Amino acid sequence: GENVEQHPSTLSVQEGDSAVIKCTYSDSASNYFPWYKQELGKRPQLIIDIRSNVGEKKDQRIAVTLNKTAKHFSLHITETQPEDSAVYFCAASLIQGAQKLVFGQGTRLTINP
Amino acid sequence: DAGITQSPRHKVTETGTPVTLRCHQTENHRYMYWYRQDPGHGLRLIHYSYGVKDTDKGEVSDGYSVSRSKTEDFLLTLESATSSQTSVYFCAITASSGGEQFFGPGTRLTVL
Repeated sequence: GENVEQHPSTLSVQEGDSAVIKCTYSDSASNYFPWYKQELGKRPQLIIDIRSNVGEKKDQRIAVTLNKTAKHFSLHITETQPEDSAVYFCAASLIQGAQKLVFGQGTRLTINP
Repeated sequence: DAGITQSPRHKVTETGTPVTLRCHQTENHRYMYWYRQDPGHGLRLIHYSYGVKDTDKGEVSDGYSVSRSKTEDFLLTLESATSSQTSVYFCAITASSGGEQFFGPGTRLTVL
């Protein structure tokens, strides 16, 4: 089955700097890669996703890149702000049918003012 | 919030007792899922449903059963709760094949 590894487990950056979180997956059949943000005590919230027919997707300060050959994908946050502090999870699945997401272990991102 | 509610939101129970968690959605979504979240493990899929009475196992299904007798309700049952089932349980939905997955508010379950 699918296995997703996420690094780093913790990340601390200065406000205004960029943050990068990386994930690798094992199943080459996976074609859907969402990223979720989870604040303390809250539900995971989808922030961006990418499908395997594109290599990069951007939404304001957030971007995701996908390298299908190497089976890894990354989340990039630019111009970080204090409200970006949270735990971020990557996941992988097939997009068709029931979307059985396999999650990485999470990255705790802290933005220092 | 994609019209998803979970009940109860918090529960404390004792080892060996049965527990049922409820996920309710109001928007007729076809696919529903149960995940558990534990420190260091991210979220892991327990069971999922692709329609009324259509369910299947996820990666950590041992000790859990599910039922979906109506489109709007997906129940997760722990027949005999154990301390290893202490966790936060999230329900999720996707509206259709290829859609985005949204999560409910979660249920914190403590098994003493």
